[in-house]
Amino acid sequence: AQTVTQSQPEMSVQEAETVTLSCTYDTSESDYYLFWYKQPPSRQMILVIRQEAYKQQNATENRFSVNFQKAAKSFSLKISDSQLGDAAMYFCAYRTLPSGNTPLVFGKGTRLSVIA
Amino acid sequence: DTGVSQDPRHKITKRGQNVTFRCDPISEHNRLYWYRQTLGQGPEFLTYFQNEAQLEKSRLLSDRFSAERPKGSFSTLEIQRTEQGDSAMYLCASSRAGERENTIYFGEGSWLTVV
Repeated sequence: AQTVTQSQPEMSVQEAETVTLSCTYDTSESDYYLFWYKQPPSRQMILVIRQEAYKQQNATENRFSVNFQKAAKSFSLKISDSQLGDAAMYFCAYRTLPSGNTPLVFGKGTRLSVIA
Repeated sequence: DTGVSQDPRHKITKRGQNVTFRCDPISEHNRLYWYRQTLGQGPEFLTYFQNEAQLEKSRLLSDRFSAERPKGSFSTLEIQRTEQGDSAMYLCASSRAGERENTIYFGEGSWLTVV
C-alpha cells in the first residue's frame, strides 16, 4: 500500500523568508502524481502544486516550488518570500494515474506558521 | 464554475441519531469522492463514484455508512446510529475522469460533532 509521511508536524517561518516542508512516500509504481495541498483554518483545501513522476523537471508555481527526488521517494515543498497568508496546514498527497482506481493518499500534514 | 458545495457545513447530533450530508460537485465532473478528516490528521479516503457507479469503498466505511449518487450529479453520505468516533469533518471532492491531468477539487467540508 502506498503511504505518505510528513515528518514535521509544525514549522514556522519569518515573513519574507524561505521555508521547506518535507514529504516522503512509499510506492512500487513507476508513474504517479504527487501534490501539495494547502488547508487554511476553517477553509477548503486547495491545490498548491502538482508533480508528475515521469517529469524530471521540478514543478514551480510562483513562490512555490518542489524538489522531487524520485529515487529517494522524496517530494519537498519550498515556499519563498513567505507571506502571512501562507499560514495553513500543508498536506502532501500521492495518487496513481487517473485511469487507476487509487484515490489520493495524504500525509498527516505540517502546520505552517508565518511570523510577522 | 461554482466549486464543490457541501451541506450542511456543521452538524451536531446526539449519539444514535442518523445524519446525512450532501455534496454538489463541479458540474462537468464525473468523479466524486468522500473523505474523512479528524483533527490533526490528513484526509482519509472513504469512497468514490464515477457517474452514478460507486467504484471503491474503503474499509473505513462501516456498515453504518452509505453513500449514493443516484443521478450521477449530487451525492449523499448517510451515517446511521452515529457514534462519538464519527465526529470528524467529511470532505467531498470532484474531478474529471479520463484525463491524465485531472485535478481533484475539494469542498469546504461538513463538520460532524456527535455528543
